[in-house]
Amino acid sequence: AQSVTQLDSHVSVSEGTPVLLRCNYSSSYSPSLFWYVQHPNKGLQLLLKYTSAATLVKGINGFEAEFKKSETSFHLTKPSAHMSDAAEYFCVVSDSGGYNKLIFGAGTRLAVHP
Amino acid sequence: GAGVSQSPSNKVTEKGKDVELRCDPISGHTALYWYRQRLGQGLEFLIYFQGNSAPDKSGLPSDRFSAERTGESVSTLTIQRTQQEDSAVYLCASSLGYPPDAFFGQGTRLTVV
Repeated sequence: AQSVTQLDSHVSVSEGTPVLLRCNYSSSYSPSLFWYVQHPNKGLQLLLKYTSAATLVKGINGFEAEFKKSETSFHLTKPSAHMSDAAEYFCVVSDSGGYNKLIFGAGTRLAVHP
Repeated sequence: GAGVSQSPSNKVTEKGKDVELRCDPISGHTALYWYRQRLGQGLEFLIYFQGNSAPDKSGLPSDRFSAERTGESVSTLTIQRTQQEDSAVYLCASSLGYPPDAFFGQGTRLTVV
């Protein structure tokens, strides 16, 4: 069965410093992995996705994530945080075998301080 | 349409009443998902439709919950005999298939009083 663990429920950084949001997954098949962002009172937006191509994936707004099969991880990073990055971030896994339902992690709330 | 549309955007209902939530997916999207998001929490998978295959209902929390989808069009999520713990935002998403890049609607905020 597929599952996702986001290791931090809250992360707080200063503007201009690096961001690291951690995600570990469990999947029976070759997974697809995603990061979604949810800004306050707004809908969910896809940041980036991994689908068995390049292991380093670039997304919107300067975010990146690296798929590490040996560590079953898919951590989200950004070199320099911006105030507008403050939001809830969700790591998502989908098995490639048969059904493609998306399983969400519990989320990480990112706060960015001036 | 241009995006996933959900209606109503807000619904207040009395405990014990039935409610029906509607989702209009993006045209041509074969997959449709329903999720529930309680206040301050993550997304809880409810049900998944993919084309004409049998839906994955493994996330439905009780037999009070049911969902239907006709072909690759509109879906309705029905909650019977609503309880206060059903209060949440119900989100619908659709995708083309694989990889399942899902596009989400704005959700229906359900309040059971």
